Amino acid sequence: KQEVTQIPAALSVPEGENLVLNCSFTDSAIYNLQWFRQDPGKGLTSLLLIQSSQREQTSGRLNASLDKSSGRSTLYIAASQPGDSATYLCAVGNRDDKIIFGKGTRLHILP
Amino acid sequence: GAVVSQHPSRVICKSGTSVKIECRSLDFQATTMFWYRQFPKKSLMLMATSNEGSKATYEQGVEKDKFLINHASLTLSTLTVTSAHPEDSSFYICSARGGAGGWTNEQFFGPGTRLTVL
Repeated sequence: KQEVTQIPAALSVPEGENLVLNCSFTDSAIYNLQWFRQDPGKGLTSLLLIQSSQREQTSGRLNASLDKSSGRSTLYIAASQPGDSATYLCAVGNRDDKIIFGKGTRLHILP
Repeated sequence: GAVVSQHPSRVICKSGTSVKIECRSLDFQATTMFWYRQFPKKSLMLMATSNEGSKATYEQGVEKDKFLINHASLTLSTLTVTSAHPEDSSFYICSARGGAGGWTNEQFFGPGTRLTVL
């Protein structure tokens, strides 16, 4: 059974710092991995989608990597801003067509 | 990207009533739709998978008679919470898969519906 773990559960960093959020999964037979952002009381905003054949994706200040063999993904945020404060969810797309979500990392960027 | 809408965005109802939530794919045909629920400060948990024109597949522990899912067309799925109780209060999110250009493994998520049962 696929399990997705995100570390840390919460993180506070000063504005301007670069940071890394971690995601690990137990079953490497995945279709894809996706990072989402969720603001309090809101839905999901898709940030980056990495297909199983890819190793990384970049969008603006965000870079996500995928190492399927070790069951790990990282989300790198460069030059953090207060507007980046949110919960970041890692989600693994399984071959049984289901998406398994991690519990998220609550990020707080200090102005 | 593809757009998925949900209606209503927020609903408050009395215990014992039924509530219907709609999920629509606005610019693509969704062969498969998924329903999730999220409790406060928890992750999203898949409730059921529905394919157009067939019965939904429910995850273990989800009561199919409690949460009725209908996927009557390629752009609409509905979730009806029957005889709602306070413990059903949650954030319900749908997603849709299936692009006009062929099969895609990406799911597109709706904005969610906040259900509060008094």
